[in-house]
Amino acid sequence: DQQVKQNSPSLSVQEGRISILNCDYTNSMFDYFLWYKKYPAEGPTFLISISSIKDKNEDGRFTVFLNKSAKHLSLHIVPSQPGDSAVYFCAANNQGAQKLVFGQGTRLTINP
Amino acid sequence: NAGVTQTPKFRVLKTGQSMTLLCAQDMNHEYMYWYRQDPGMGLRLIHYSVGEGTTAKGEVPDGYNVSRLKKQNFLLGLESAAPSQTSVYFCATLQGTEAFFGQGTRLTVV
Repeated sequence: DQQVKQNSPSLSVQEGRISILNCDYTNSMFDYFLWYKKYPAEGPTFLISISSIKDKNEDGRFTVFLNKSAKHLSLHIVPSQPGDSAVYFCAANNQGAQKLVFGQGTRLTINP
Repeated sequence: NAGVTQTPKFRVLKTGQSMTLLCAQDMNHEYMYWYRQDPGMGLRLIHYSVGEGTTAKGEVPDGYNVSRLKKQNFLLGLESAAPSQTSVYFCATLQGTEAFFGQGTRLTVV
């Protein structure tokens, strides 16, 4: 049973435009959400996070939005750059359990 | 400061062989995890540890064993490798709410 779902395996965006990556979760006990970025042949690296007490967190070109009632979060990248081409994983954590659960990942390609 | 280091980086095994993957961290983190990454499946948790001497099962533990004899090391063992265990394996540590990953081990079982 997939508790964290990323339903889009891939996304292609023009350079300079906005990239929106989506993530849904089913477990209402999750209280912290994170996005990780992964380049080929490397481990995932932390990108941005949000606590369940917030609905938005911004860091430079990256913004994460959380809609708790819909159990949905999204990552916005604007403007998109070629270096943003990577696989993005959404993750959720129940801080009491300390067990990060990941989605399937979305491969983002930024076209020049 | 190396962070999280995985050994080996690549390995080819024959069906039925055994091997151990080593994860070493120098950040003094309590929590350590083993994930496997497969196409379309994301990162799935195999086993994890909340401290030295402890281990617990994740989502896909069958066919794997783990040990955490020292705080800085987390070992993942395959007793009798199967082709279904062909995957990329990632070790991670958790500090607060952020996970730190190793570079991965690409394992092929033929």
